[in-house]
Amino acid sequence: AQKITQTQPGMFVQEKEAVTLDCTYDTSDPSYGLFWYKQPSSGEMIFLIYQGSYDQQNATEGRYSLNFQKARKSANLVISASQLGDSAMYFCAMREGSSNSGGSNYKLTFGKGTLLTVNP
Amino acid sequence: EAGVTQSPTHLIKTRGQQATLRCSPISGHTSVYWYQQALGLGLQFLLWYDEGEERNRGNFPPRFSGRQFPNYSSELNVNALELEDSALYLCASSSRGLSNQPQHFGDGTRLSIL
Repeated sequence: AQKITQTQPGMFVQEKEAVTLDCTYDTSDPSYGLFWYKQPSSGEMIFLIYQGSYDQQNATEGRYSLNFQKARKSANLVISASQLGDSAMYFCAMREGSSNSGGSNYKLTFGKGTLLTVNP
Repeated sequence: EAGVTQSPTHLIKTRGQQATLRCSPISGHTSVYWYQQALGLGLQFLLWYDEGEERNRGNFPPRFSGRQFPNYSSELNVNALELEDSALYLCASSSRGLSNQPQHFGDGTRLSIL
């Protein structure tokens, strides 16, 4: 089974509107972290936001917020007031385990991504 | 603060050759990760180095190898290149110790096998 599932291959949004990118995950580890990255067409991966499994509140970073529903194992990214520069590929990723567990799982497992296009 | 730097930007090789990709982490980061992003396959974890040691390895054949130097920079070596090795290779770095630390990525090396 896939550990990270992004069911939306492509999404379109009008400039200045909000958009939600879906991400569901699968893990039996009680300690994990969820990350969202943005990859423009130029190729670099840009870190956007992080949510830890024990965090009580949803993470927010500027126009980015994470709708974390632990029981449903979902971690959707919400981008408010979309801008043309938000057009890019967006990846959800998970890291299982913690530094206390020896750190052997510091690798990230990525979803297949969602291509977001912001229309003027 | 300088980000993660990778070289070369592009690399063109033929089947059977060997390729060496280089990565310099963000200053203060001791962990370096390598990922392969091939068309249609998404990002796949290759290798993780920390403090000069290989800590974890993805599901790749032994012809993918690497090392980490005392200054924490890293090399990825790919021997006996095959056509399916054509991909964007991304290097990332992080500080070890706290699991909430994000990995910061370089711009990648695009490897093309002819």
